[in-house]
Amino acid sequence: QLQLQESGSGLVKPSQTLSLTCAVSGGSISSGGYSWSWIRQPPGKGLEWIGYIYQSGSTFSNPSLKSRVTISVDRSKNQFSLNLTSVTAADTAVYYCARTTVTPKFQIIWFDPWGQGTLVTVSS
Amino acid sequence: QSVLTQPPSASGTPGQRVTISCSGSSSNIGSNTVNWYQQLPGTAPKLLIYSNNQRPSGVPDRFSGSKSGTSASLAISGLQSEDEADYYCAAWDDSLNGHAVFGGGTQLTVL
Repeated sequence: QLQLQESGSGLVKPSQTLSLTCAVSGGSISSGGYSWSWIRQPPGKGLEWIGYIYQSGSTFSNPSLKSRVTISVDRSKNQFSLNLTSVTAADTAVYYCARTTVTPKFQIIWFDPWGQGTLVTVSS
Repeated sequence: QSVLTQPPSASGTPGQRVTISCSGSSSNIGSNTVNWYQQLPGTAPKLLIYSNNQRPSGVPDRFSGSKSGTSASLAISGLQSEDEADYYCAAWDDSLNGHAVFGGGTQLTVL
């Protein structure tokens, strides 16, 4: 059974870079033709898609965050990562990683499964 | 303000049938499939319905989804106390070079 586990800094200062890693277990990150996404949820609010990395290594991001988002994959470690630059308090959220099924035209079909999430707080 | 519009809350009594709506536009629901996610309190979202009306393995057939035009619905029949959760619809939006969008979520209370 595939499992995902987020890890990284839980407290980030304003203007700094948020860095998270998602470790994949129970299967290879390179098999099945899947893509891998980051999604976040501010406290008490709804879900926001951040971006995904395609099987080829190409990345796609939410237009509202695009200039600040970098997603990368380390296939040797079976994990992928998120960097979000120039953070503000508005970036405080629970961050989830998820396996993503994507069409040949790069449209996301669904997210499944999800990691348990990790809370990142932006504060000085 | 979410791109997909859901009622913020819904409620029902055990055994009842409840529906949750999700309204979008031609660039998202109107041209792409809809998924529904269930988020139990304090947990990560879980895929509940994919491709408008398909249930992943393990999801009870009490849950069903439908889509018509630019709107979608999630129906829960035979409501149970363990169904109390937040429910989110999601779809791909073809505008702005494409991006995934979610509804604002509907908090379901079992009375």
